[in-house]
Amino acid sequence: QQQVKQSPQSLIVQKGGISIINCAYENTAFDYFPWYQQFPGKGPALLIAIRPDVSEKKEGRFTISFNKSAKQFSLHIMDSQPGDSATYFCGDNYGQNFVFGPGTRLSVLP
Amino acid sequence: GAGVSQSPRYKVTKRGQDVALRCDPISGHVSLYWYRQALGQGPEFLTYFNYEAQQDKSGLPNDRFSAERPEGSISTLTIQRTEQRDSAMYRCASSRQATNEKLFFGSGTQLSVL
Repeated sequence: QQQVKQSPQSLIVQKGGISIINCAYENTAFDYFPWYQQFPGKGPALLIAIRPDVSEKKEGRFTISFNKSAKQFSLHIMDSQPGDSATYFCGDNYGQNFVFGPGTRLSVLP
Repeated sequence: GAGVSQSPRYKVTKRGQDVALRCDPISGHVSLYWYRQALGQGPEFLTYFNYEAQQDKSGLPNDRFSAERPEGSISTLTIQRTEQRDSAMYRCASSRQATNEKLFFGSGTQLSVL
């Protein structure tokens, strides 16, 4: 199976700080780059996604940056809040199924 | 329905028993996915359907696992002769189109095999 690698595995940020999570993918045919957010006890939910025809997409405090040549994309959370504490997953298409990365656990301290 | 519904929410069974996990996707969603998620890990792909057709079952661990979606709506994941290693959270997701963009996940079924 295609692999998706995330870093860091865990992240602790002070309230108001910037959280940055990175994802490296292998599938060069992939044309959709999402980040999912999962709170404890809940299923993952799509947070933000980008297509390779743009290098950056911003939705409120959340920004995806895409680097096609490096086969990487990242999630930036500006003005991080305690309510952003969750696990974040990037993903990759493999055939027509969807493979998730191992996750990054974000803790935002009040 | 308003969201993806899974039942039961919790299932405790004895080793060797068969279990059936049910998923009711969002009405009209074409694709349905089954994942397994261990604590602290990302969801692990098991299988998926477009309408009633099983498109990929490469993630099913072995032949004790099977899934069906006979009418292109509700799906059942069946695990025969359960083993302790099958204990995990089983999650179902659906997407509106067969392009696997924007998956909507259910709350999952927590399976415990004693």
